[in-house]
Amino acid sequence: QQQVKQSPQSLIVQKGGISIINCAYENTAFDYFPWYQQFPGKGPALLIAIRPDVSEKKEGRFTISFNKSAKQFSLHIMDSQPGDSATYFCAIKAAGNKLTFGGGTRVLVKP
Amino acid sequence: DTGVSQDPRHKITKRGQNVTFRCDPISEHNRLYWYRQTLGQGPEFLTYFQNEAQLEKSRLLSDRFSAERPKGSFSTLEIQRTEQGDSAMYLCASTPGFLEGETQYFGPGTRLLVL
Repeated sequence: QQQVKQSPQSLIVQKGGISIINCAYENTAFDYFPWYQQFPGKGPALLIAIRPDVSEKKEGRFTISFNKSAKQFSLHIMDSQPGDSATYFCAIKAAGNKLTFGGGTRVLVKP
Repeated sequence: DTGVSQDPRHKITKRGQNVTFRCDPISEHNRLYWYRQTLGQGPEFLTYFQNEAQLEKSRLLSDRFSAERPKGSFSTLEIQRTEQGDSAMYLCASTPGFLEGETQYFGPGTRLLVL
């Protein structure tokens, strides 16, 4: 089964700092790499996504960097805010549009 | 609220009992997915429907699990003879369908605790 390895498992950052989360995947060609944000007691919500034909995508304070040859992609949260404290999941899209998720990164932004 | 809804939000049951969860996708979304999420882990794919057709089932979906989407709208997930290992959050998601790479919109989940 396709695996997605996500690191770190947890992250503490000061308000205004940068949070960086990394994911690596194996084998096959996938064409859609989303990041989801999940708050306690809620379902995951799409934060930002990228296709492999671009190396970077930015939406507000959130940036995805994608390295196709290394099979790695990362999420950067700039100017981190306390409201960004949540669990973040990377995912890859397999056939049928089903998603395979990483193990998650719990981010805590300290005021 | 026109998002994905799930019912119930919480369910506590005793081992051996049957439980059924319901998911109402966003209106006119053709594809509906079920995932299971255990504490501290990412969601794991269980099964998905395109309209009323169940197109794929994960190996995680043992024969105690059954999912239906009879009219291509809402879906139900039933677990028979529940086991403590079934305790998890069961998430439903939907997409408009047909086009690859479309956003999956998740519901709030049903948290199951098997005693």
